Amino acid sequence: SAVISQKPSRDICQRGTSLTIQCQVDSQVTMMFWYRQQPGQSLTLIATANQGSEATYESGFVIDKFPISRPNLTFSTLTVSNMSPEDSSIYLCSVARQGVFYEQYFGPGTRLTVT
Amino acid sequence: QQQVKQSPQSLIVQKGGISIINCAYENTAFDYFPWYQQFPGKGPALLIAIRPDVSEKKEGRFTISFNKSAKQFSLHIMDSQPGDSATYFCAASTASGAGSYQLTFGKGTKLSVIP
Repeated sequence: SAVISQKPSRDICQRGTSLTIQCQVDSQVTMMFWYRQQPGQSLTLIATANQGSEATYESGFVIDKFPISRPNLTFSTLTVSNMSPEDSSIYLCSVARQGVFYEQYFGPGTRLTVT
Repeated sequence: QQQVKQSPQSLIVQKGGISIINCAYENTAFDYFPWYQQFPGKGPALLIAIRPDVSEKKEGRFTISFNKSAKQFSLHIMDSQPGDSATYFCAASTASGAGSYQLTFGKGTKLSVIP
């Protein structure tokens, strides 16, 4: 498996501001994914972030709202921009190890509340 | 993303009993079927996974049964324990085409094991 950390673990933000979430992995990984999980709900994929290429966004998610960086094989950031209360959710990153792309491991999540 | 249907939404089982959670999928291109376990406030943890070339996989008290023709797979938890109380998600992915290795999740099953 992989050890994944996320910062911050939780935050309370005001409407209209932006928050950048960091995801750090203890080993090099090819694929990283960002998910959103509303309390008590399932996981929804926001985007796939592969190093050296632009992030690929799923339907309903756009780069202007959720810009992603992937500067190297162990780190990625997701920014939630111009936040509204509807963005209150848990944001999770996951990684797929090189050579074992099927297996995805999740970070602990960032719990975001927008007031 | 193609849908993965999961049932039941919630499940209460006596300690020592068998917990059974079912999932059905539509996309015949799916070729990897993992189950995740999530405790409150934590990220999902990969529990067990199966590929379509086998009909069953067992790891300790956890067993996946897979029926390719019916496009269904299930998780069986034998000798269920209170510590198994968590939300379980089935998922599916494919190695081919657009969106390869992206996980499509079921809606989750909240399992409660009572003493």
